[in-house]
Formats: sequence, structure tokens, C-alpha cells
Amino acid sequence: DAKTTQPTSMDCAEGRAANLPCNHSTISGNEYVYWYRQIHSQGPQYIIHGLKNNETNEMASLIITEDRKSSTLILPHATLRDTAVYYCIVRDSGGSNYKLTFGKGTLLTVNP
Amino acid sequence: GAVVSQHPSRVICKSGTSVKIECRSLDFQATTMFWYRQFPKQSLMLMATSNEGSKATYEQGVEKDKFLINHASLTLSTLTVTSAHPEDSSFYICSARDIFGRVSYNEQFFGPGTRLTVL
Repeated sequence: DAKTTQPTSMDCAEGRAANLPCNHSTISGNEYVYWYRQIHSQGPQYIIHGLKNNETNEMASLIITEDRKSSTLILPHATLRDTAVYYCIVRDSGGSNYKLTFGKGTLLTVNP
Repeated sequence: GAVVSQHPSRVICKSGTSVKIECRSLDFQATTMFWYRQFPKQSLMLMATSNEGSKATYEQGVEKDKFLINHASLTLSTLTVTSAHPEDSSFYICSARDIFGRVSYNEQFFGPGTRLTVL
């Protein structure tokens, strides 16, 4: 079973920030939050991940609440090419288990 | 960034035939590769974990004799769908774990997928 809950779909205007929420209330101390996205008929693309601190890279920012029970992926200036299904995944930091369990994700539609 | 390729990108075959799909890590070494399947409008479902030089580990409900996986080198894993039937029609996606961690130690990089249609 997926350990995360995400809205089924969201809309965003082109050029505006897209804020995608994710609930992971059962996350454990050694589990990271990962975000991937999948553009239609393509393989998933890694976006960002974090443990407890906020993270930023060239694609997005990840804000994790202090209790780590939820997080928000922020695309600061969404473009039409950001239309995709965004997956929030909770995963153990390592050991022998590197598996990713995909939930249903959020379909983000960026509108002109 | 790390690149993973899949071949073929699309394949159409007759029922009862076998189809081989290749997954290659082009610019990094991958001791572990994963195979996923995705039906229309559904999420990715992990089928098996492929480890270089050893037997693959299959997820519950996935028939290992039907979906043969070979990971003969650090850059190549193959998935063979044996005696394919129309219900095997799906989007098959592989991913590879970069053991030297270009992004970070545990990152997985995904291939572009292979669309299999069984007539």
C-alpha cells in the first residue's frame, strides 16, 4: 500500500507557482520523501528528495513540515511542459531496499 | 544526468510469441535495475528487481517463468515476456540505480518505456 496521500488532480496557470501537497502521516524516522514526475507516455523523472530539511534544486523546492507528516513540492514558475503526473514517495534511506512504491500521484495541468 | 535507454520503444507481436525488452544504463554502472509495468490510466507497478550476476527478485503475483529477467552486466538488463497474450499488453519501464551516486547514492533513473501490444 502506498504510504502517501495526494490530490488526484490540480490546475495551475502558466508562470505561476504550482504547490503540490502530499500527506505521509505514517512516515518513520529513516524514511525520505521523494518526488518524481511522469509526462504522458514517458518514464518517470526524478525531481527532488529530502529527509527533514527543506531542499531546493534547479527544478523545484521541497518543503517538509517539522513533524514530517506532510510535504509540499513547489514548482516556482510552472510552464506548459510541467504538465505531468507527480508522485510523492516515501522510502527507506537505504539498506537492501531501494524499491519505489508508486501511488496514484497528482495530475498537474498547467494552463496557458 | 544519468541516461537509461530501452529497446524497442514499441513492439507489436502476435499472441503466443516471446518478446525481449532491453534496458541499458548508458553512462553509469547499475548493480540493480528494476522493472515496472503500467496499464492505461494506472500507476507504475513494480514487477521485479534485477541484480547483476544473480537471480531477479519478483514481486508477489508476478510469474517468474513468464517474465524472464537477465542482468548479465552492470549496464544491461533484459526482460523477456514469454508466450505473450493480449492481457500482457502494457507499458514496461525499467529503472537503474546509480551505484556511484551522481545525484545521491540511492537515486534511480528511469528509461523511456516500451509499449507492448499483443494481438
